[in-house]
Amino acid sequence: AQSVAQPEDQVNVAEGNPLTVKCTYSVSGNPYLFWYVQYPNRGLQFLLKYITGDNLVKGSYGFEAEFNKSQTSFHLKKPSALVSDSALYFCAVSFLLNDYKLSFGAGTTVSVRA
Amino acid sequence: DSGVTQTPKHLITATGQRVTLRCSPRSGDLSVYWYQQSLDQGLQFLIQYYNGEERAKGNILERFSAQQFPDLHSELNLSSLELGDSALYFCASSKGRGDQETQYFGPGTRLLVL
Repeated sequence: AQSVAQPEDQVNVAEGNPLTVKCTYSVSGNPYLFWYVQYPNRGLQFLLKYITGDNLVKGSYGFEAEFNKSQTSFHLKKPSALVSDSALYFCAVSFLLNDYKLSFGAGTTVSVRA
Repeated sequence: DSGVTQTPKHLITATGQRVTLRCSPRSGDLSVYWYQQSLDQGLQFLIQYYNGEERAKGNILERFSAQQFPDLHSELNLSSLELGDSALYFCASSKGRGDQETQYFGPGTRLLVL
């Protein structure tokens, strides 16, 4: 069964507008949640993670994400998108019953137009 | 630059052949992870080594094997290659066993099996 889902294959937004990339998870217990970004022909770069504590997590490049336990979501947000944010974004989850192996979503392609 | 290095960057080989991919983790990191990224399967966890010992296994085929050496670098061996093994192979590393830790990814090795 899929542990993490990214319901949108692609998100298109104009530069300067808010950007949201959705992620939902379906695991038992307390998950650890991560966001990574992949630029063309590059490896994955870590953006942020939620382990415990404050539900709002701030990360690199102005990104933040909110852990919502009741909705089992961990959406990635940026208040004002840049053209340089255009990339492939991955949500990932690890949890005890899976021996903390990192399971990735299918990815969401973000396209920011000037 | 994550500090994780992978060689070679590109590899072209024929079906039935065997190849070795190499990964050097960030300085001080004890865990090495291997992932496969393909269009149809997405990003899949293959295997983790921690301080020279296998710690976790994912969807790794029996034709594939890995090891971590005393200097902590790791090699992923792929044998009896098939067309479907064509993919981007990533290595990642983390400081400890990995339960709550961020994994830092290398730039990947692109394998093309003809």
